[in-house]
Amino acid sequence: EAQVTQNPRYLITVTGKKLTVTCSQNMNHEYMSWYRQDPGLGLRQIYYSMNVEVTDKGDVPEGYKVSRKEKRNFPLILESPSPNQTSLYFCASSLYGPVGLRDTQYFGPGTRLTVL
Amino acid sequence: KQEVTQIPAALSVPEGENLVLNCSFTDSAIYNLQWFRQDPGKGLTSLLLIQSSQREQTSGRLNASLDKSSGRSTLYIAASQPGDSATYLCAVKGDDKIIFGKGTRLHILP
Repeated sequence: EAQVTQNPRYLITVTGKKLTVTCSQNMNHEYMSWYRQDPGLGLRQIYYSMNVEVTDKGDVPEGYKVSRKEKRNFPLILESPSPNQTSLYFCASSLYGPVGLRDTQYFGPGTRLTVL
Repeated sequence: KQEVTQIPAALSVPEGENLVLNCSFTDSAIYNLQWFRQDPGKGLTSLLLIQSSQREQTSGRLNASLDKSSGRSTLYIAASQPGDSATYLCAVKGDDKIIFGKGTRLHILP
């Protein structure tokens, strides 16, 4: 089954404790991205990747890191989480990303992160 | 800078009625527009994708239209059902970005 998986689905942590949220897709997509979703602000892009070893900042990259060493995986790293990073995070993938005319984005189920 | 607006933010409609959700965008230079559905606490599910050269797309009871020149798209839902209750988001794809609206929260009253 074609899907985007994220782990963990729920995470409560404390300020400053490094964490990683994993994302994996099984569709051989080139484009992957991370979003955060906050009430009243909608979905905002954090980072995206057009292909292996190619990553770029989205609209709200501060406090986050990503890597794309393999095509299928795109982990989101919070080196020193802070309470303002409490949010619902989504990973998404599509075949070609913004330049794909017929591209459909597939979303993971979300990770609800709480930073105390 | 592309901005995507969805009005209204919330909508309640009696079951069985037809309804229209609106999405507007400020920059008409888009590759495509996609409508998504999001259930509470869940991920997004793609409903329809309209390429920039197309005027509309249909899937079952859903019909999405696109008017690039006026920067508008509508999602028409026919014969609404309680199971249609969810948040509906539109997203436009430009040169290097995919920009989402904040969504319309739809509640179908039984």
